[in-house]
Amino acid sequence: GAGVSQSPSNKVTEKGKDVELRCDPISGHTALYWYRQSLGQGLEFLIYFQGNSAPDKSGLPSDRFSAERTGGSVSTLTIQRTQQEDSAVYLCASSPHQGRLRIGQYFGPGTRLTVT
Amino acid sequence: RKEVEQDPGPFNVPEGATVAFNCTYSNSASQSFFWYRQDCRKEPKLLMSVYSSGNEDGRFTAQLNRASQYISLLIRDSKLSDSATYLCVVTIGAGGTSYGKLTFGQGTILTVHP
Repeated sequence: GAGVSQSPSNKVTEKGKDVELRCDPISGHTALYWYRQSLGQGLEFLIYFQGNSAPDKSGLPSDRFSAERTGGSVSTLTIQRTQQEDSAVYLCASSPHQGRLRIGQYFGPGTRLTVT
Repeated sequence: RKEVEQDPGPFNVPEGATVAFNCTYSNSASQSFFWYRQDCRKEPKLLMSVYSSGNEDGRFTAQLNRASQYISLLIRDSKLSDSATYLCVVTIGAGGTSYGKLTFGQGTILTVHP
């Protein structure tokens, strides 16, 4: 079946511009997560959605970052006034159920963001 | 101290070798444990969950020691295609709604050569 998809796959933007990154989770997966991976760094949690609500936004690095999810499906991560340190691969993952921790999460291919 | 620590390697082994990776985690409230693999410039892919009783999937064996807060992965009969970064991952519940936020180790690089 279809996996997690993300768009765009690559995004180059100028410092100060806003960007939107999109994630389409696996159909039926209620939990959705955003992570980012900077060059040479590990994966860093950003935000978690259960349905359309975000019980945990603790990983968002600043108030320039926001995310929403609509219809319990597609999610958009928005970065306002991008900075060079925002350059990273932004990964989305989905999981069938919040309570089934052993299931693990399935990742999309990521969006590689470069801020010049 | 990092929440999840791994030996970054790299491990360079010949085809057919057995190789073991170790990982320690700092939060005793950690509830679920996984190994993911990540190929260069690709997304992480779930390799296997790790259970307290230990579990095996083909050439891969995972072990968990909750008392020592230690996780291991053993790969037998290494193949060239096993070359990747192996990520040790734990989840820590949040109050009454454990939601599975993944906390990743930095990864261990494995290169299998002919």
